[in-house]
Amino acid sequence: GAVVSQHPSRVICKSGTSVKIECRSLDFQATTMFWYRQFPKQSLMLMATSNEGSKATYEQGVEKDKFLINHASLTLSTLTVTSAHPEDSSFYICSASSPQIYSNQPQHFGDGTRLSIL
Amino acid sequence: EDKVVQSPLSLVVHEGDTVTLNCSYEVTNFRSLLWYKQEKKAPTFLFMLTSSGIEKKSGRLSSILDKKELFSILNITATQTGDSAVYLCAAPSGSARQLTFGSGTQLTVLP
Repeated sequence: GAVVSQHPSRVICKSGTSVKIECRSLDFQATTMFWYRQFPKQSLMLMATSNEGSKATYEQGVEKDKFLINHASLTLSTLTVTSAHPEDSSFYICSASSPQIYSNQPQHFGDGTRLSIL
Repeated sequence: EDKVVQSPLSLVVHEGDTVTLNCSYEVTNFRSLLWYKQEKKAPTFLFMLTSSGIEKKSGRLSSILDKKELFSILNITATQTGDSAVYLCAAPSGSARQLTFGSGTQLTVLP
């Protein structure tokens, strides 16, 4: 149980394109979803926390107008990288959490999206 | 600011060796400490530790937490090449219980 699906797994696109990444909790309702970014040979850095039905909370240094997060339902959150540039190339990972599953694992991770901007 | 520090940053061993990975933390309102294994994709959950001194074990992997010293270790015995990965330590922090990750230990097991 507690499966999180992230799509797409890989994106290659031109500079200036906007890219949407979806994160779905398949068998539980995720009250909170988290978005992380990971650069090569570095650890996961939290970008933002989103609660269903409310605005996302962004970490310091993360531009909210650049990385649009929508958490419209208890099973879906999206991250849109607007007007992406090569420096936005990274591995983006989502995770989902809810009080019902927290005691087993605080967060369940999607498989990640590798974004390459040319 | 909450902090999780891992050591060593990288480790190269031969198959059959035993390794110990370290994780220290400074977290306000500490609840638990987690270990993950990351290969090419997102992290895979290994252990969640909440109590001091109780070892958690899964096959050749084991982990233990010392809440007095704010420290955890992950042991891997009889290492195999398939154990090669980045091992991440993390702790939930903040009101939303977001995870603060350590920098990870890159483990390479040579045949």
